[in-house]
Amino acid sequence: DAEITQSPRHKITETGRQVTLACHQTWNHNNMFWYRQDLGHGLRLIHYSYGVHDTNKGEVSDGYSVSRSNTEDLPLTLESAASSQTSVYFCASSATASAYEQYFGPGTRLTVT
Amino acid sequence: EDKVVQSPLSLVVHEGDTVTLNCSYEVTNFRSLLWYKQEKKAPTFLFMLTSSGIEKKSGRLSSILDKKELFSILNITATQTGDSAVYLCALQGAQKLVFGQGTRLTINP
Repeated sequence: DAEITQSPRHKITETGRQVTLACHQTWNHNNMFWYRQDLGHGLRLIHYSYGVHDTNKGEVSDGYSVSRSNTEDLPLTLESAASSQTSVYFCASSATASAYEQYFGPGTRLTVT
Repeated sequence: EDKVVQSPLSLVVHEGDTVTLNCSYEVTNFRSLLWYKQEKKAPTFLFMLTSSGIEKKSGRLSSILDKKELFSILNITATQTGDSAVYLCALQGAQKLVFGQGTRLTINP
């Protein structure tokens, strides 16, 4: 069955370290998204991609980067982790024709100490 | 800038009660409004609304959109403890979704 997975599911890192969160989908979806979820803010869009080699900044992109080298993967990199980036991160994907229905991964809980 | 505001942020009721969750929005290019339910994991899709006044219904859940007044409501009748979750409203412009803060609904037995 097609799915979307994230790894790791939990991560603790230190301030200043580079961290990469993986997102892999087997839906063959063109669109992929990264969100962070914090209390009081709901889900906020970090970066998104409409296809291979396409990346776009979302609402809260500072301190994050993504690259899309194939259809299945959109890794999210925190260049120099900060305590303000402690959050739960969700990856999602959607097909171009039915973009309203985004399928979400299980989430990664990141703690920056 | 597209904006979505949900109210209340938190709601506690007793099993069997009926609840109404609100979502108001500001948007430049409206395509659709979506409702998601999030329990202890990823959000799951509930409804997509595109037209005013047409109620979408799924069991005890229903939702309606008012594009003139720019809001949507999600109703849950005869609530059950399994309805406890965070309910998210999201606005679709182009191919992105803008989410509200969510309403945390707690159903006490």
